[in-house]
Amino acid sequence: SYELTQPPSVSVSPGQTARITCSGDALPKKYAYWYQQKSGQAPVLVIYEDSKRPSGIPERFSGSSSGTMATLTISGAQVEDEADYYCYSTDSSGNHRGVFGGGTKLTVL
Amino acid sequence: EVQLVESGGGVVQPGGSLRLSCAASGFTFDDYAMHWVRQAPGKGLEWVSLISGDGGSTYYADSVKGRFTISRDNSKNSLYLQMNSLRTEDTALYYCAKDISGGNSGPGYWGQGTLVTVSS
Repeated sequence: SYELTQPPSVSVSPGQTARITCSGDALPKKYAYWYQQKSGQAPVLVIYEDSKRPSGIPERFSGSSSGTMATLTISGAQVEDEADYYCYSTDSSGNHRGVFGGGTKLTVL
Repeated sequence: EVQLVESGGGVVQPGGSLRLSCAASGFTFDDYAMHWVRQAPGKGLEWVSLISGDGGSTYYADSVKGRFTISRDNSKNSLYLQMNSLRTEDTALYYCAKDISGGNSGPGYWGQGTLVTVSS
């Protein structure tokens, strides 16, 4: 079955740039989506279609995709950005099945 | 304002059944595909199922195919997940989510979830 691979953890100091990667064989053909989940809360969409930012999401959140890797970048990470981040996509077989990456714990301290 | 409110969770024995509901408001329900996503305690997100806006197309994760059925009643702005032959590994918080666009773009807005516990 199709898999998306993320690093388990990323750590940065406040004000630094955090980059979280997501690799998957179908990413050259399929969009990546990124979700932020803070402890005890429902996930929130922060990036869709590789690089688009929903309204209300701070400009420090950006996304990109190249080849088999998508990247979520948080420029000038803040303490309140500490959360779990998940990428999401679908495989290229046309079966419309979604898949999430394993998640990355971002620590900002 | 978009609102998604899940209900129907609870404790059920292995092999049992449960039906989850998701009441939607604040948007034109039948314009959007809808997803179910689950999260086992302390674990990551797992996509479960998707249904098109008109209910004519449904898709399932391999882990639930043949046991779970997604459906919707557009006249009631409601989404459902019928779960049969439940296993202990189905224990999770189940979220319903509105697709980002009319088709299968990915989960956009999420509800707060309903907890399903499968245990003897």
